[in-house]
Amino acid sequence: QITLTQQAESLWVSPGEKVSIICRASQSLLYTDGKHYLSWYQQRPGQTTKALIYHASVRTDGVPTRFFGSGSGTEFTLSIEDVQPEDIALYYCLQTLKKPWTFGGGTKLELK
Amino acid sequence: QVKLLQSGAALVKPGDSVKMSCKASAYTFTDYIIHWVKQSHGKSLEWIGYINPYSGGANYNEKFKNKATLTVDKSSTTAYMEFSRLTSEDSAIYHCARSGIRAYYFDYWGQGVMVTVSS
Repeated sequence: QITLTQQAESLWVSPGEKVSIICRASQSLLYTDGKHYLSWYQQRPGQTTKALIYHASVRTDGVPTRFFGSGSGTEFTLSIEDVQPEDIALYYCLQTLKKPWTFGGGTKLELK
Repeated sequence: QVKLLQSGAALVKPGDSVKMSCKASAYTFTDYIIHWVKQSHGKSLEWIGYINPYSGGANYNEKFKNKATLTVDKSSTTAYMEFSRLTSEDSAIYHCARSGIRAYYFDYWGQGVMVTVSS
């Protein structure tokens, strides 16, 4: 199965800063259609999990433009510019290229 | 708006089974796949499997093939997951989530249900 590694278990940020969360895959997530099957999710306490990005860089409806997905092949980044207090959450990457679909271990964003 | 409403928390004994539900609303139930995801220790996520409400066909992560059974009731737009022969390792939060048929990503999630296995 494909392993996704989010090396940072926690990241500390101050409001207004930029932060990047990295997700590395054990093999390329590029499919023959030219798209990467990598998505990002936000989990805030007491709220339902929210999809932020799919195909590595496509923002889902309503997601603020300060969330930015990038990367290709086996390395992907979720960047959050001008971090807001409501961005404090757990963030996960997910690959849907090959079953069983697998998640990264999660990165907890915390306030300094 | 699209909603996946999951059943309440469950406390079950080792060796028992538990059946949890995920009621979908505000979209055509048979146009989207329902996935189930296990969240252990408040962090790590594992994909259990999915069911296609249109066909009733299910696809399982090998790890959960003898543990989970996925079903749907189209009349009530509800998906179910039954988890059997429970052990303490099955204590977790279980989420349902929706994706399109091509399953690029999970666009809506339920609120999660905590299952505690304890004697």
